[in-house]
Amino acid sequence: DAGITQSPRHKVTETGTPVTLRCHQTENHRYMYWYRQDPGHGLRLIHYSYGVKDTDKGEVSDGYSVSRSKTEDFLLTLESATSSQTSVYFCAITRTSTNTGELFFGEGSRLTVL
Amino acid sequence: DAKTTQPPSMDCAEGRAANLPCNHSTISGNEYVYWYRQIHSQGPQYIIHGLKNNETNEMASLIITEDRKSSTLILPHATLRDTAVYYCIVRDRGIYNQGGKLIFGQGTELSVKP
Repeated sequence: DAGITQSPRHKVTETGTPVTLRCHQTENHRYMYWYRQDPGHGLRLIHYSYGVKDTDKGEVSDGYSVSRSKTEDFLLTLESATSSQTSVYFCAITRTSTNTGELFFGEGSRLTVL
Repeated sequence: DAKTTQPPSMDCAEGRAANLPCNHSTISGNEYVYWYRQIHSQGPQYIIHGLKNNETNEMASLIITEDRKSSTLILPHATLRDTAVYYCIVRDRGIYNQGGKLIFGQGTELSVKP
């Protein structure tokens, strides 16, 4: 258990509405990530953070923004949701204290955009 | 990061060893081999990683060929709960702030049967 909590776990929304997904960690890790998973595409990195207020884009960042105002929370925002953003979203952390680089994932947030 | 090739699916009898192969013929000297698995509807789970020596932990063993162009993940006594998609990934462990840029391919869907 990596102490990662994602919320909400399930959400249905309509096209054009804003959506924010929250990733909360309890172990004070520096690196946090947002992935999306879609059939036929596997897991793709959206954004990641390497510290408070330090974020960078991943491979599929268009249409998404992130914020990290404190170590424990990494927020993913869809400013105006589209049907193509229907997906399962996973948050992950790296336990840099162990210096092994592996990712630990949350349980996922399933988003449906109608 | 080097690309990997895995068989799309495999079956294994419960209690027997499951041997999951992975080809990574373009791996470079500083790239590690990581294995993850994803049980249906859950977040991916880290299993093991290695550079060139064989590795073993409480979950599995990793055998890397001498030329490092392929590896095998071994689950010594597969159980029904090991049914999952298994991902083989190679990446440079040293790229910390890009640690989330793991390229998840399609993986191998392992079915453990009674």
